[in-house]
Order: sequence, then structure tokens, then C-alpha cells
Amino acid sequence: DAGVIQSPRHEVTEMGQEVTLRCKPISGHDYLFWYRQTMMRGLELLIYFNNNVPIDDSGMPEDRFSAKMPNASFSTLKIQPSEPRDSAVYFCASSFRRSGNQPQHFGDGTRLSIL
Amino acid sequence: QQQVKQSPQSLIVQKGGISIINCAYENTAFDYFPWYQQFPGKGPALLIAIRPDVSEKKEGRFTISFNKSAKQFSLHIMDSQPGDSATYFCAAPAGETSGSRLTFGEGTQLTVNP
Repeated sequence: DAGVIQSPRHEVTEMGQEVTLRCKPISGHDYLFWYRQTMMRGLELLIYFNNNVPIDDSGMPEDRFSAKMPNASFSTLKIQPSEPRDSAVYFCASSFRRSGNQPQHFGDGTRLSIL
Repeated sequence: QQQVKQSPQSLIVQKGGISIINCAYENTAFDYFPWYQQFPGKGPALLIAIRPDVSEKKEGRFTISFNKSAKQFSLHIMDSQPGDSATYFCAAPAGETSGSRLTFGEGTQLTVNP
């Protein structure tokens, strides 16, 4: 069974450049989450989708961040323009809500460094 | 907004000892409290979860104890092993009707010495 797949695993770019992070959720899952992890702020939820529709983007830090889910098997998180303070590990997770709560399955993350 | 407070921030235990990590939450409306385990370079992975209709759940060496009246739950790792060295996160539903959104604790870095 393939888990959540994220790409790239590592990204190093200069301040001001556009960064696009990609996620393929587990097939059949109807929820997709984007998180950011830093030492200072821990694991923060940025945005989540249900059936490809954004439900809550209140965690998106500012207008430089945007996320899309054009279909059930693909999502992107874009930062434009990028800044050094955006350096973090970004995780994508997916889940399938049957009756009751179901666990979120995380990818291995994209380590982003903005110089 | 659900707040989750986790302690301690770091924990060092000798092999064979008991590791205990605590979490406190605010919103009582929801019914699912998971613990996640994260190794370096990997994403968090579900370790064990509990619903508050029971006070304890055990899976192998891992046990969750739940105190609904105190709004607290804890993870106990019995016979801790060096392979348990990882960061542990508690989580709680973030207070929305979907129930799928989670708020995570700050994490506890566990080191088990051989």
C-alpha cells in the first residue's frame, strides 16, 4: 500500500523565488491536510480539504501562501514570494472519515530552506 | 480553538524503564485522542488512540490513560527500549463538527539510553 507521497523531499532556494510543494494522498481518502513543522511553533495546520474543497485555511500565514487540490489524487502548496522565515518541514496528511474519527496518515515531508 | 498542552518537552529514560508523557486539553465536545510517534526525517505516525468512554487503552507496551473530568490523558511506555527514542505528539480534535481536524501538542522528545 502506497502511503502519502510528497515531493520534493528537500528544497533549497533563494528568497523571493516561487516554491511549489506537491502531495499525493492515499487513494480513497477524502481529507487532505497541509502542516508546517518548526522548532519554535511545533506542528501547525495550514489548510485542509474535504473532497477537494478547501474547508479551513485560517492557518495559512499570509497571502504569499496558497494551496490547491485540483483532483482527489493531487494537491499543491505554493509560496510566492518565499522568505527565509518560511524555512520549515512541510507535511501533507490524508484521512478517510467513515463512522467516527480516523487517523491522519502523514507523508515524510518536504524540508524547505529559503536562503 | 482547541488548545493542547503537552509535558515534558524532553525525557530521558533508561532501557527497561517507564516513560510517561502528559497532555491536557480544553474542548470536551469531541471523542478521539490520538498519540503520534515521529522519527527523524519521517512524518508523524499514529501510535495509539483512545475514546473517552474508556479510561485506559493498552496496545503492547503502550498505554493511554484518560481522565475525562480533569481533561487530561497520558501515554505510558512500559519497558522502554532504545528503538522507542523519538518525538511523541498528543492530539485532540480542534473543536469543529467534522471532527477530522486535530490540534497537536508541542511534542516530547524521548531518549531511551541502552
